[in-house]
Amino acid sequence: AQSVTQLDSQVPVFEEAPVELRCNYSSSVSVYLFWYVQYPNQGLQLLLKYLSGSTLVKGINGFEAEFNKSQTSFHLRKPSVHISDTAEYFCAVSRISYSGAGSYQLTFGKGTKLSVIP
Amino acid sequence: DGGITQSPKYLFRKEGQNVTLSCEQNLNHDAMYWYRQDPGQGLRLIYYSQIVNDFQKGDIAEGYSVSREKKESFPLTVTSAQKNPTAFYLCASSIGALRDYSNQPQHFGDGTRLSIL
Repeated sequence: AQSVTQLDSQVPVFEEAPVELRCNYSSSVSVYLFWYVQYPNQGLQLLLKYLSGSTLVKGINGFEAEFNKSQTSFHLRKPSVHISDTAEYFCAVSRISYSGAGSYQLTFGKGTKLSVIP
Repeated sequence: DGGITQSPKYLFRKEGQNVTLSCEQNLNHDAMYWYRQDPGQGLRLIYYSQIVNDFQKGDIAEGYSVSREKKESFPLTVTSAQKNPTAFYLCASSIGALRDYSNQPQHFGDGTRLSIL
């Protein structure tokens, strides 16, 4: 079974400062990795994904993430945050279930609330 | 624009009542999902459907039911057996739900917030 741990439930940071949101996963097989963002009372929006290849992945809104297989981590970073980045961020891994027709599902972390302070 | 529409945005349930949450997508996706979100708990999978007329239980299916009679629609019923229904419910879809599609992202609606009266 797969699991995802987001190490910080809340991260306050001043505007224009850099930020790192940490994500670790456990899996006995290879996984695909995703970061989603959720603004208040809205659904989730895909920020970026790692499938294969370069371990540094760039996403929307200036975010990037680095896949580290040896440390089983997929931390999200932004060099300079803006007030509009205040939201909750979810790390997720795709897992393959062998029930039924071999369907796949996403396993989510519990989320990290990023608060940008003016 | 293609997307996922959830309705209503807010819903209130009385004791002993069943309520149905609507989810419609025009992305031509085969797979659809229902998640429950509680504060500090992340998203937990309730049900998913790979194709019309087929659906599978997720991690927390007890007290919920679904149907998939049309490709674009995947309604969720919260039954009276669900004793703690207060939560934010999210519907999602993806191109497919078979292992060959495990690298495809899921697209989400804007959610329905359900509360007990």
